[in-house]
Amino acid sequence: QVQLVESGGGVVQPGRSLRLSCAASGFTFSRHGMHWVRQAPGKGLEWVAFISYGGFDKDYADSVKGRFNISRDNSKNMLYLQVTSLRAEDTAVYYCVEGTISGRFDNWGQGTLVTVSS
Amino acid sequence: QSGLTQPASVSGSPGQSITISCSGTSSDVGGYDYVCWYQQHPGKAPKLMVYDVSNRPSGVSNRFSGSKSGNTASLTISGLQAEDEADYYCSSYTGSTTLVVFGGGTKLTVL
Repeated sequence: QVQLVESGGGVVQPGRSLRLSCAASGFTFSRHGMHWVRQAPGKGLEWVAFISYGGFDKDYADSVKGRFNISRDNSKNMLYLQVTSLRAEDTAVYYCVEGTISGRFDNWGQGTLVTVSS
Repeated sequence: QSGLTQPASVSGSPGQSITISCSGTSSDVGGYDYVCWYQQHPGKAPKLMVYDVSNRPSGVSNRFSGSKSGNTASLTISGLQAEDEADYYCSSYTGSTTLVVFGGGTKLTVL
């Protein structure tokens, strides 16, 4: 079955950087678009970024554009999110999600918590 | 791109039906048949319940149904069960660089 396992979260100071990773298994990773979706503590869901199956097309939420970079390594079945210039409002659980460009999010990881605090 | 509007909470008794609304604009809900609904239990990842307005993924109960009229989408849950108590989120494709917008979420309480 599909498995998405995130890692790389933690406590980080404002302005610093972090790289989130997602290990995918149970499906042909290289044929599927992937997203990151986040959820601040006690709040709703926010779409963050999308990457096409080949990695050539990327889209970002306005709130993270210029600070976050989504990438993938199809040879390793890995998805990444490089997050830079972190702000307190970036504090959230970050979910790795397999889904279509139209926003159908079929499979979710368990999430990794990023806490931005001094 | 603003988020979609959902009621903060709804409630119903076991066996009853409830409907959760999701209001957007012609740039999202009204412009595309790409509305989805997700169920999230506390401490868990969201689960896709309805996609493309009214389609159910394999394994999702037919008690869950979706529809859309103009800029408003709806999720109806019939024959309410205790395990349906959860948060529900709608989402829509936007066709802009912010690909997807979510609603603020609706907490369903089964009385």
